[in-house]
Amino acid sequence: DADVTQTPRNRITKTGKRIMLECSQTKGHDRMYWYRQDPGLGLRLIYYSFDVKDINKGEISDGYSVSRQAQAKFSLSLESAIPNQTALYFCATSGTVQETQYFGPGTRLLVL
Amino acid sequence: GESVGLHLPTLSVQEGDNSIINCAYSNSASDYFIWYKQESGKGPQFIIDIRSNMDKRQGQRVTVLLNKTVKHLSLQIAATQPGDSAVYFCAENPTTSGTYKYIFGTGTRLKVLA
Repeated sequence: DADVTQTPRNRITKTGKRIMLECSQTKGHDRMYWYRQDPGLGLRLIYYSFDVKDINKGEISDGYSVSRQAQAKFSLSLESAIPNQTALYFCATSGTVQETQYFGPGTRLLVL
Repeated sequence: GESVGLHLPTLSVQEGDNSIINCAYSNSASDYFIWYKQESGKGPQFIIDIRSNMDKRQGQRVTVLLNKTVKHLSLQIAATQPGDSAVYFCAENPTTSGTYKYIFGTGTRLKVLA
């Protein structure tokens, strides 16, 4: 079984809709991250969490919110989706700050 | 098809040859580096890492070289195989950022020719 899972894998939604992307991990890591990936750009950090009570904004947090429900679960919400949020979204985990990040399989989101 | 990587530089290599993928990193304070492989439709997969107190690190069929003087990182893949076809990108971590900050490169697409 995969260590980091994401649901859904694909999602099509309309402008203005609220959607949630979910991430679960079985690696026992405290640190979890949400990134988006766009053509021609490197991964960009949206939000990160170092434990259940810790939430931090990344470089592109506007229009997004997160919830860390448990050590193993970290969800990303788009409160009111807009077309320029069409992208690939990845969840990642790491055991410490300067340690390898392990990525989930990604969610492909299309906002019409 | 996969939309990520449409505008990436591409390296085409004959099967069995060695591949060298390069990365110029941005922050002289970065002291931890990772190479990732991303296949179409999948998440980035860890290949190999290196810390700034090393110049070279070897794994199975892969070698990472670090030149801190010119802020350059390279990934060498020996005896390239069709399964190596993917996008490869580097990531740097400057610990002076305080808590956390990874900077990811945009990547290079590796195509293995039969």
